[in-house]
Amino acid sequence: TQLLEQSPQFLSIQEGENLTVYCNSSSVFSSLQWYRQEPGEGPVLLVTVVTGGEVKKLKRLTFQFGDARKDSSLHITAAQPGDTGLYLCAGASGGSNYKLTFGKGTLLTVNP
Amino acid sequence: NAGVTQTPKFQVLKTGQSMTLQCAQDMNHNSMYWYRQDPGMGLRLIYYSASEGTTDKGEVPNGYNVSRLNKREFSLRLESAAPSQTSVYFCASKGNGQGSNQPQHFGDGTRLSIL
Repeated sequence: TQLLEQSPQFLSIQEGENLTVYCNSSSVFSSLQWYRQEPGEGPVLLVTVVTGGEVKKLKRLTFQFGDARKDSSLHITAAQPGDTGLYLCAGASGGSNYKLTFGKGTLLTVNP
Repeated sequence: NAGVTQTPKFQVLKTGQSMTLQCAQDMNHNSMYWYRQDPGMGLRLIYYSASEGTTDKGEVPNGYNVSRLNKREFSLRLESAAPSQTSVYFCASKGNGQGSNQPQHFGDGTRLSIL
């Protein structure tokens, strides 16, 4: 069974601070997806990283896929209250496997 | 742009009652999924359907059944609800294309309480 460990589980910071969320596994994934979920809604895809060592930027969010494709990180620069939400990483095993393995999530609160 | 639509949004049941959660997608996706989300447990896969006419068990299938009625619709049935099935249920569909790297698109969930 593939597992994805996310840390920290909870994070409460002030507006303007930087933060990093980690997603780690002992398994290799063909890709890592990051989702954000707001209260009362379903998760929404932020980014997919596919290549080991890949870095993708989405405005103030920077996503990195580890060289060995076992881990990933999400860095947010100058966090804003609108960044508040549950961040989920999900690993895809590739091939004909249609399933994703989700981490338990990081609940981020950005205080004004 | 409806995307993935789940009904109902909220439901309260008594132990032993049955009900069906409905899900429909309008993106012509082949694959559809049912998850449950509990505090501290993340999203856990109940059942999935890789394509019309096929269904497979996920991580936590016990107590549930599914039907892939057609390409658009994938329903989840609780035959005899138990308090342990109190949860938020999400339906998702996956974009077509090679491999499993396509993103999943989620509905807004059904909040189910079993008394």
